[in-house]
Amino acid sequence: GNSVTQMEGPVTLSEEAFLTINCTYTATGYPSLFWYVQYPGEGLQLLLKATKADDKGSNKGFEATYRKETTSFHLEKGSVQVSDSAVYFCALINTGANSKLTFGKGITLSVRP
Amino acid sequence: DAGVIQSPRHEVTEMGQEVTLRCKPISGHNSLFWYRQTMMRGLELLIYFNNNVPIDDSGMPEDRFSAKMPNASFSTLKIQPSEPRDSAVYFCASSTRAAGTGELFFGEGSRLTVL
Repeated sequence: GNSVTQMEGPVTLSEEAFLTINCTYTATGYPSLFWYVQYPGEGLQLLLKATKADDKGSNKGFEATYRKETTSFHLEKGSVQVSDSAVYFCALINTGANSKLTFGKGITLSVRP
Repeated sequence: DAGVIQSPRHEVTEMGQEVTLRCKPISGHNSLFWYRQTMMRGLELLIYFNNNVPIDDSGMPEDRFSAKMPNASFSTLKIQPSEPRDSAVYFCASSTRAAGTGELFFGEGSRLTVL
């Protein structure tokens, strides 16, 4: 079956530090990959996505590249801000009308001023 | 445009009481999902609907939980009777077509506390 593994958290960084959050996956076929973000007290929202190998998703300064050879989709940002403090979820979905998103456990990022 | 609307935002109830959570998906979206989030288990998919029809309810914990979608603009998740272990944040999400896009729009959640 499908699965998503995220690095253990929480992660605490100082403002303007470089961020990497690791995500690896197991899936059959050619899944699409996602990063969702959950700000305190809110629901999840889509941050970025990639639908095929070597695609790079980007949004709000965050980037992630779909690496099929290493089955990874690591999230990076060059300079984090306090406002980036949130929980980040990696997810995947296979093609097919009734496919379901598979989420990782999520990782909490805290950015201090 | 209005997003996914959930109510109530917070619910505190006593063990044994019936709880009904409500969701209005984004207009035009024809897939709807109910998730539960806890510290211990993370994010769990309970059930999802396509075109108002339940497609997969394998995540529903037990018979105490039930979900309905009587029309395209409304869904309910009911717990009867409630138990303390049901305490969690329940999210509703909707999508423009069958779940295969992976692009879900979440509501702000309903935080349930069962005493």
